[in-house]
Amino acid sequence: NAGVMQNPRHLVRRRGQEARLRCSPMKGHSHVYWYRQLPEEGLKFMVYLQKENIIDESGMPKERFSAEFPKEGPSILRIQQVVRGDSAAYFCASSLLDRAREQPQHFGDGTRLSIL
Amino acid sequence: EDQVTQSPEALRLQEGESSSLNCSYTVSGLRGLFWYRQDPGKGPEFLFTLYSAGEEKEKERLKATLTKKESFLHITAPKPEDSATYLCAVQDYNQGGKLIFGQGTELSVKP
Repeated sequence: NAGVMQNPRHLVRRRGQEARLRCSPMKGHSHVYWYRQLPEEGLKFMVYLQKENIIDESGMPKERFSAEFPKEGPSILRIQQVVRGDSAAYFCASSLLDRAREQPQHFGDGTRLSIL
Repeated sequence: EDQVTQSPEALRLQEGESSSLNCSYTVSGLRGLFWYRQDPGKGPEFLFTLYSAGEEKEKERLKATLTKKESFLHITAPKPEDSATYLCAVQDYNQGGKLIFGQGTELSVKP
C-alpha cells in the first residue's frame, strides 16, 4: 500500500505528557500537511512542510506544538504538555507538488489523540 | 477571509433517490475546489478537483459542478455504500497550498 501512513492510529496521554504523531507521505511526495479535526468541527489546517523546511505554520498554536519533516524519515507533529483540549483526530496529507494541477492532497487515516 | 459552507448538514435518502449537496465558498483567488469522501474512522478520500466555473467532473454515481460562488455534488440513484460524510475544500492562490474545509454533509442512504 503506497498510501499516506500515520502512526499510531490511537494515542492516549495524560495531561502534561508529550505526544508524537508520525506521518510517512505517499511514495514520491515531498509536501506534507497536517490538519486537526476537533469533535463536531471540520478539518482545520495546522502546518505545511517540505523536506527540512516549514513553509506555512499559520494554523499551528503558538505554544506547545511543533512539526518537522527531516531529510530522512517521517514527518513528526509534536505536542508538549498536552491538555484535554488537544483531544482530536490529527490527519496528515501529502501531495506531489503544491501548485500543480491534478495533484490533490491525499490523506492518511489519522491519529486519534485522547487526553486523560 | 476565505470561507466554505456546506448544506445540508445531514441528508437521508432512500436507495435510488437522487439529490444534490451544496458547497458555497468565498475566496479571494480560487486555485481549486476539492471534494472528498470521509468514512467513519478514516481519512478523507479524494474524489474531484474543479478549477474554473462551468467545469464538471463525473465518477460513477457522482457528478461535481462549479460556479463562481458554489459547487454541487450530484448523486444519481445512490446506493447504501454511498453513505459517508462528503467534504468540500478550497485552495486560495493567496494562501499557499493549504485546504480550507467546510463542515461536511453527512449522507445516509437507506435500502
